[in-house]
Amino acid sequence: DVKVTQSSRYLVKRTGEKVFLECVQDMDHENMFWYRQDPGLGLRLIYFSYDVKMKEKGDIPEGYSVSREKKERFSLILESASTNQTSMYLCASSLTTQGTVSDTQYFGPGTRLTVL
Amino acid sequence: RKEVEQDPGPFNVPEGATVAFNCTYSNSASQSFFWYRQDCRKEPKLLMSVYSSGNEDGRFTAQLNRASQYISLLIRDSKLSDSATYLCVVNSGGYQKVTFGTGTKLQVIP
Repeated sequence: DVKVTQSSRYLVKRTGEKVFLECVQDMDHENMFWYRQDPGLGLRLIYFSYDVKMKEKGDIPEGYSVSREKKERFSLILESASTNQTSMYLCASSLTTQGTVSDTQYFGPGTRLTVL
Repeated sequence: RKEVEQDPGPFNVPEGATVAFNCTYSNSASQSFFWYRQDCRKEPKLLMSVYSSGNEDGRFTAQLNRASQYISLLIRDSKLSDSATYLCVVNSGGYQKVTFGTGTKLQVIP
């Protein structure tokens, strides 16, 4: 079974703090994603990565950055947390087979971040 | 118009009932379609892909109507364990073009 883990289930931070969210997958997937999920807005893509050290902006990258130094790990960084970044953050991964990206994404359990 | 739209519900149905959800999408070039299930306070998990010819998995049937740009999910003989939010997912080309709907909440009542 694919396993995607996230460093924290719940996190409380103060405005202006630098926040690191870690995601690790154990299935050697090439692609990794960070989403945020808010009521009424669904899942929105923040950043994704299709290879080590590669990253691409999603729909809402402002205020976030990412790092992928190893294939299994994808980190989301909030440089200076703000209250509007209070949300559920979900990491996902997917496989690339014969040059085709699989549509199936496997999600981690999520990190509920509260910024005070 | 949103790229992917779903009726948020909630749909409250008795056990054993048949329930159907629709999801509309705006991009006619969309290539692949899925239903994910998300339990309360849990992560989304793939329920089934949606194929052009329609497909069935046990009590679940998914259909695609390209002309009208919608997909549907039919659940027969609803169980209490089917209570969840069902997310419609549309891929319009590449991993950066995967769009999730906001979900339809289903509550199956005894």
